[in-house]
Amino acid sequence: NIVLTQSPATLSVTPGESVSLSCRASQSISTSIHWYQQKSNESPRLLIKYASQSISGIPSRFSGSGSGTDFTLSINRVESEDFSIYYCQQSYSSLYTFGSGTKLEIK
Amino acid sequence: EVQLVESGGGLVQPGRSLKLSCAASGFTFSNYYMAWVRQAPKKGLEWVATISTSGSRTYYPDSVKGRFTISRDNAKSSLYLQMNSLKSEDTATYYCARLKLPGYPFAYWGQGTLVTVSS
Repeated sequence: NIVLTQSPATLSVTPGESVSLSCRASQSISTSIHWYQQKSNESPRLLIKYASQSISGIPSRFSGSGSGTDFTLSINRVESEDFSIYYCQQSYSSLYTFGSGTKLEIK
Repeated sequence: EVQLVESGGGLVQPGRSLKLSCAASGFTFSNYYMAWVRQAPKKGLEWVATISTSGSRTYYPDSVKGRFTISRDNAKSSLYLQMNSLKSEDTATYYCARLKLPGYPFAYWGQGTLVTVSS
């Protein structure tokens, strides 16, 4: 199975800062990585697909990059509504896996 | 508007069975692969099962293979998850999710239904 390792587990930031969240795959997965946001007591929401492709309705401050084994979700100037948990997920293998998540919290 | 509404969760004893349902609307259900994803309390997301458009192909992780069965009724726009031999570690919120084809992301999610396995 493909293992996804997200870091850091928790990221404490001040609103207005820009941040980068990391997701590393245990083997090369091309660009078959997707990012989700999950706010407290809500269902996950797709933010970015195929490493860097934007999703309709998602603010432009969210962007993704990477290929192979290393991927990054960037948030330009974090807003208060962005404090939540972020997961990466691979679809390279039909046995899908998720990373363990990065919690973005207010400093 | 795409809507996915799960039902069927509840409290069940270890070793017993439970069947979850997901009612889909707002899109042509038969054109999409569907999946179940679960989340244990205070834990991360875990993919549980995927089913093809016709239902002829199914996929499971080792953690549920042989115990869980995903199925669908395209005439009723409904997705199901039959869960047998339940264990305490199956306690989770179960989400129904839509994906277009294998390799695609989970573009839409339901609100989830909570399954608690406890004596």
